[in-house]
Amino acid sequence: AQTVTQSQPEMSVQEAETVTLSCTYDTSESDYYLFWYKQPPSRQMILVIRQEAYKQQNATENRFSVNFQKAAKSFSLKISDSQLGDAAMYFCAYRSAVGSTLGRLYFGRGTQLTVWP
Amino acid sequence: EAQVTQNPRYLITVTGKKLTVTCSQNMNHEYMSWYRQDPGLGLRQIYYSMNVEVTDKGDVPEGYKVSRKEKRNFPLILESPSPNQTSLYFCASSSFFNQPQHFGDGTRLSIL
Repeated sequence: AQTVTQSQPEMSVQEAETVTLSCTYDTSESDYYLFWYKQPPSRQMILVIRQEAYKQQNATENRFSVNFQKAAKSFSLKISDSQLGDAAMYFCAYRSAVGSTLGRLYFGRGTQLTVWP
Repeated sequence: EAQVTQNPRYLITVTGKKLTVTCSQNMNHEYMSWYRQDPGLGLRQIYYSMNVEVTDKGDVPEGYKVSRKEKRNFPLILESPSPNQTSLYFCASSSFFNQPQHFGDGTRLSIL
């Protein structure tokens, strides 16, 4: 089974500053998708950004961008100009695109982000 | 409005009393799945379904059952709940494996 590791259980950032959340994954598959989800105190799971493994270009969504290093199996999330509303638990997730685990989604344990005013 | 609806949102019950958590999506999605979320463990997949009448085990299927008789519904059944099944449960769906999953709002289960 694929594993996803988020090595930072907690992170904090000052409002308007930039923070990077780390994620690594272990897989032998050649094709897959990577996601970052945000879970605010309301506990909803909200998609932040998505990356296709076959694309070399890093995905960007407004203030959110990723640094995807396929060879290193690394997928970090950068939040620029942090806002108070960015405070949440962030989950990195891997989705299989081939084989017997097709479509399955594997999550990391999460990083709790605190944003200070 | 496109959504995944779970019911109930909260439930407190006792050991051994069978319960069902319903999940319904209105997006005609093929893929549906159930997850449980526990502190410090992230989300773990319980069961998933690629289409009607096609279901398979995830990472933590023990003590759970599912069925997929209709495309829109994917109920989670706890035949004999135990305290270690106290958790936050999410249902999710997607149109295909390469699309992000849409999540329901979660069901908080407490088994006493």
